[in-house]
Amino acid sequence: NAGVTQTPKFQVLKTGQSMTLQCAQDMNHNSMYWYRQDPGMGLRLIYYSASEGTTDKGEVPNGYNVSRLNKREFSLRLESAAPSQTSVYFCATWPGTGIGNQPQHFGDGTRLSIL
Amino acid sequence: AQTVTQSQPEMSVQEAETVTLSCTYDTSESNYYLFWYKQPPSRQMILVIRQEAYKQQNATENRFSVNFQKAAKSFSLKISDSQLGDTAMYFCAFMKPDRTNAGKSTFGDGTTLTVKP
Repeated sequence: NAGVTQTPKFQVLKTGQSMTLQCAQDMNHNSMYWYRQDPGMGLRLIYYSASEGTTDKGEVPNGYNVSRLNKREFSLRLESAAPSQTSVYFCATWPGTGIGNQPQHFGDGTRLSIL
Repeated sequence: AQTVTQSQPEMSVQEAETVTLSCTYDTSESNYYLFWYKQPPSRQMILVIRQEAYKQQNATENRFSVNFQKAAKSFSLKISDSQLGDTAMYFCAFMKPDRTNAGKSTFGDGTTLTVKP
């Protein structure tokens, strides 16, 4: 099925460990995004990529890095995980303004716990 | 920066009845998009309904409709004939594509809706 695929779905880390969350899309969308969702809160933008080859900071970028590997893939890296980064992480895509009022399309999320 | 406020953290409704979820936003922009997303316990983000700010007509999708008041910056969601499967968290979201054509969205903190049998 076409869509946005996130790996892994669950991960437990120890403080100080590093890891990369992967996101891949087969929708041919130009823009990709990483959000985090903390309990009882909405989604907050970490980083985004408007198009292949570009990345920009969102609302809460500290402690994260991203790579737009190609049009399909956008990864999020935690270099030194901290308990405050325990959250559910969502990847999303968007086709662009030329396609009308399209919403973002979301992956199923990665639940990340840092001990 | 835009802000989105959902003032009702939790709501409940009896099956088959109607419920309205509130959303207000703050922006200086004139053209933008508004969305309601549903997030069931499975955590998936599912689009419920969308509205373009330049359209005065309120959007409808089957049992879901919105009351869009642009001057008041209000975008409420009405669910008619509520069903048990409507139980979920609902998020209001604002999108204004920027000069880089990035459709960044700002989300409210959500309203948890419980439909009771």
